[in-house]
Amino acid sequence: DGGITQSPKYLFRKEGQNVTLSCEQNLNHDAMYWYRQDPGQGLRLIYYSQIVNDFQKGDIAEGYSVSREKKESFPLTVTSAQKNPTAFYLCASSTGQGFSYEQYFGPGTRLTVT
Amino acid sequence: GESVGLHLPTLSVQEGDNSIINCAYSNSASDYFIWYKQESGKGPQFIIDIRSNMDKRQGQRVTVLLNKTVKHLSLQIAATQPGDSAVYFCAENINDMRFGAGTRLTVKP
Repeated sequence: DGGITQSPKYLFRKEGQNVTLSCEQNLNHDAMYWYRQDPGQGLRLIYYSQIVNDFQKGDIAEGYSVSREKKESFPLTVTSAQKNPTAFYLCASSTGQGFSYEQYFGPGTRLTVT
Repeated sequence: GESVGLHLPTLSVQEGDNSIINCAYSNSASDYFIWYKQESGKGPQFIIDIRSNMDKRQGQRVTVLLNKTVKHLSLQIAATQPGDSAVYFCAENINDMRFGAGTRLTVKP
């Protein structure tokens, strides 16, 4: 089946630790995105990548880092510099480069930092 | 940047009735809109999209209406079923995709 996978579904970390969230897609999509979702708020863009080896900051990139070494993979690292990392993280991909295309979402990773 | 808003945070309907979920947007330059459905603890699922050169688009049991004059987007769900219970949110494309917070739809049996 084609789709986007995110792992793990739930992640627990102690404050001060970096943590990497996995996102893989086998849809052959060029563009990939990371969003953060907090209760009662719309999705907020963290980073996006429109092509391999290139990525751009979104609205809330501070405290996060990404890499795009392969077309199918776009891991997100939540660093200790992120002041409020507990959230639901969603990865997405789209066929075209740019935002005028449908974005397909993964199942999400819920990160809890204590 | 400008954000997408919603008129109502919750909507409760009887099974079999039609549902209408509304969304207001503030940027007249937005050219692409999407409705997503999100069940608890899951990722958003695409429902239907519409581009700004259209006023209406229909899918299976769903219709999206776009009123550019008043910058309003609506999602109509026909014959609402219990499986339709979820949070629905709209998204608009300007330079990037902007998402509303969502409306929680509850379907009563």
